[in-house]
Amino acid sequence: EVQLVESGGGLVQPGGSLRLSCAASGFSVTDRYMNWVRQAPGKGLEWVSAIYKDGSINYIDSVKGRFTVSRDNSQNTVYLQMTSLRPEDTAVYYCAADRNSNKWFYWWGPGTLVTVSS
Amino acid sequence: QSALTQPASVSGSPGQSITISCTGTSSDVGDYNYVSWYQEHPGKAPKLLIFGVNGRASGVSNRFSGSKSGNTASLTISGLQGEDEADYYCATYTSNNNVLFGGGTKLTVL
Repeated sequence: EVQLVESGGGLVQPGGSLRLSCAASGFSVTDRYMNWVRQAPGKGLEWVSAIYKDGSINYIDSVKGRFTVSRDNSQNTVYLQMTSLRPEDTAVYYCAADRNSNKWFYWWGPGTLVTVSS
Repeated sequence: QSALTQPASVSGSPGQSITISCTGTSSDVGDYNYVSWYQEHPGKAPKLLIFGVNGRASGVSNRFSGSKSGNTASLTISGLQGEDEADYYCATYTSNNNVLFGGGTKLTVL
């Protein structure tokens, strides 16, 4: 069974850092387009970052230079390292994936909440 | 890039059909056949319904269908059921190699 499980969320002060993890089971993260999508409280979905099958990486402009996506093939896990966090980064962060495309997301994890507040 | 434009809310009675629109620009919705639609129930992760404008994701009821004309995509739900009450989001691939979502539409089944 395919499953994505995020972890690492929590409360952090503005300017702080946090690393999110997305552990995959049922498939290899190197065989999927892996993405991070966030949803601020009461707001809509926002795509944040992606790491593709070939290892190439992409980010939304608002997190470039602050967030870094990576993957550990041995752990079958994708990470989102978040630094210089801002209150507007407060959101539920979902890990989302697709086998055939980097343009939509078939599998989703349950999400992990990141709260940036003093 | 601004979010795609969706109506904030739509409603319909059981058995009826409703359509949710999703308007972008000639640089995103109008330029690519990569529109997707997601259903989100409260407290749950989103679920892919439609991909590539009108492809139905595995396991999705044929009551859900997608289409596109120019810069506007649409999701139609026929034979409305109570379980369809949820938030719906459109999304499209863009020329920046990003995925851009709509603001979301709350569907109420009367």
